[in-house]
Amino acid sequence: GAGVSQSPRYKVAKRGQDVALRCDPISGHVSLFWYQQALGQGPEFLTYFQNEAQLDKSGLPSDRFFAERPEGSVSTLKIQRTQQEDSAVYLCASSPSSSGGAGRNIQYFGAGTRLSVL
Amino acid sequence: DAKTTQPTSMDCAEGRAANLPCNHSTISGNEYVYWYRQIHSQGPQYIIHGLKNNETNEMASLIITEDRKSSTLILPHATLRDTAVYYCIVSLSGGSNYKLTFGKGTLLTVNP
Repeated sequence: GAGVSQSPRYKVAKRGQDVALRCDPISGHVSLFWYQQALGQGPEFLTYFQNEAQLDKSGLPSDRFFAERPEGSVSTLKIQRTQQEDSAVYLCASSPSSSGGAGRNIQYFGAGTRLSVL
Repeated sequence: DAKTTQPTSMDCAEGRAANLPCNHSTISGNEYVYWYRQIHSQGPQYIIHGLKNNETNEMASLIITEDRKSSTLILPHATLRDTAVYYCIVSLSGGSNYKLTFGKGTLLTVNP
């Protein structure tokens, strides 16, 4: 079946510009995650949604970063007034599980959006 | 979550078994061991996980030592398509266990 889809795959923004990154999770997946991956590093957690509720946004680097999932399916990560340090790959992942145990750590990732801020 | 230590890189000949080690000496009793891999320009891909017992699926085998302080991911017959960064992650069960904490992983290069 269809996996996690992210768009655009590549985004070039001028410093100060606002950007919006889209994630279409696997249909029916309750949990949705955003991660940021800098060059040469592993992904780092940004935020977590369970259905439409944002339960954890502790990883968002600043108040310029905002994520939403209004209907519990598609999610958008918005970055306002982009800075050069925001350049990274932004990964979205989804999981069918909403409960504890090992389930929510089995996550299905999209290919990511590579953001370059000039 | 417990910290993991992995070699920076490894090489393996195509068709041979690839054995990727991971140390997690501070693992606690309710923490699982997860393995993901990331092929170039793709998102991470879940491979396998375990708590205490050895596990096997269609992709790989996971061997966890009896004291749980280390584990080994085994790809039984490596192919060129297995070239990737492999991440070993230790995570609590329950509560806020949804955060995957990736380190730098091991770059496995499978050579023809």
